[in-house]
Amino acid sequence: GAGVSQSPRYKVAKRGQDVALRCDPISGHVSLFWYQQALGQGPEFLTYFQNEAQLDKSGLPSDRFFAERPEGSVSTLKIQRTQQEDSAVYLCASSLAAGWGEKLFFGSGTQLSVL
Amino acid sequence: RKEVEQDPGPFNVPEGATVAFNCTYSNSASQSFFWYRQDCRKEPKLLMSVYSSGNEDGRFTAQLNRASQYISLLIRDSKLSDSATYLCVVNTGGKLIFGQGTELSVKP
Repeated sequence: GAGVSQSPRYKVAKRGQDVALRCDPISGHVSLFWYQQALGQGPEFLTYFQNEAQLDKSGLPSDRFFAERPEGSVSTLKIQRTQQEDSAVYLCASSLAAGWGEKLFFGSGTQLSVL
Repeated sequence: RKEVEQDPGPFNVPEGATVAFNCTYSNSASQSFFWYRQDCRKEPKLLMSVYSSGNEDGRFTAQLNRASQYISLLIRDSKLSDSATYLCVVNTGGKLIFGQGTELSVKP
């Protein structure tokens, strides 16, 4: 596709439910990033992949958060036993080359609401 | 203290005004710097990179002061379409760290 695609666009979950958020990066982009953005705040780094390798997961807030990119393209962010504080927009971004100096292309995000 | 700090605003300015945004960062080893723009309920998009010598792109001028760990963005002759949140972004230790953003509202 022409850009980074994320699904679903909106997700409502009951507290304790597991959710899975999907990201389709731009074809051929090596690097993929997940960010969490709370209302009125800037995006907070969660994790980073270079191809299928997860090189940095230091931003994942707890062991309830898990991300994978098994074939080096599509990525899934999974949140287990969701809590109200997990409510946020989850943004996926990709870049053409490896490393952090490259321009990031963001998807439209998944807005997660935990009730 | 946050690694990247911005005045959250909002900045309310009339069309044609000049407005400046400031940003400070805490890690002196930070390597590269950017301004992103985020429209309401949309994803962030790269506005411009920031170079030590300062750089300009049309009505937008970015400055970097490494000694003071300070980044600025100047918008001249502001347009209604400039209304958005402006995010200061710093590459620190290999991670892109975002500030909380400064909201700009340009009024007719």
